Amino acid sequence: DMKVTQMPRYLIKRMGENVLLECGQDMSHETMYWYRQDPGLGLQLIYISYDVDSNSEGDIPKGYRVSRKKREHFSLILDSAKTNQTSVYFCASSLGAGNTLYFGEGSRLIVV
Amino acid sequence: GDSVTQTEGLVTLTEGLPVMLNCTYQSTYSPFLFWYVQHLNEAPKLLLKSFTDNKRPEHQGFHATLHKSSSSFHLQKSSAQLSDSALYYCALRNYGSSGNKLIFGIGTLLSVKP
Repeated sequence: DMKVTQMPRYLIKRMGENVLLECGQDMSHETMYWYRQDPGLGLQLIYISYDVDSNSEGDIPKGYRVSRKKREHFSLILDSAKTNQTSVYFCASSLGAGNTLYFGEGSRLIVV
Repeated sequence: GDSVTQTEGLVTLTEGLPVMLNCTYQSTYSPFLFWYVQHLNEAPKLLLKSFTDNKRPEHQGFHATLHKSSSSFHLQKSSAQLSDSALYYCALRNYGSSGNKLIFGIGTLLSVKP
């Protein structure tokens, strides 16, 4: 069905709590991405995964880690969330790195 | 390093007027560019992408021409519609040593008024 699904869509966490954002895709794409979107800053790449257990830091990886144990699933973890991690997080996938990205609907995280 | 510049944060137009959203880039290798569109509360999605030959990509009335001489890939449409109101991102394929990725500009918000 060519879909990228993100869970949860909305999340409120207290500072210092752990956060798990999950992403799945049904296109067998080997490359998956996590971006965050902030007003005036656009889409910033947090991590890229070229396949299972083959992850690389993006432009703003500090404070985040990822896990990819299955090709169709890519998780973003925030250990001890900070207020400046309040943002909208987008997962995406592509057939081959640097090709057309298919985005999920986004996960809005608020850290208070 | 490679980069994408979108100089306008907000473009406001009256319905029926032509649209041009600017995108310039710096690329180490042969450039390959994309335009993504994001409507309110939706996911970004591909609008169009450059071709390796001289063809001009078009979609939903939008078109863009890759000009290597001026390092530009401006998005154009002859007549704006209310439904074109959205956030538009220009993106450049970046060829890295560990793998390719896309570099996005900061986006241009297009607001079309009646």
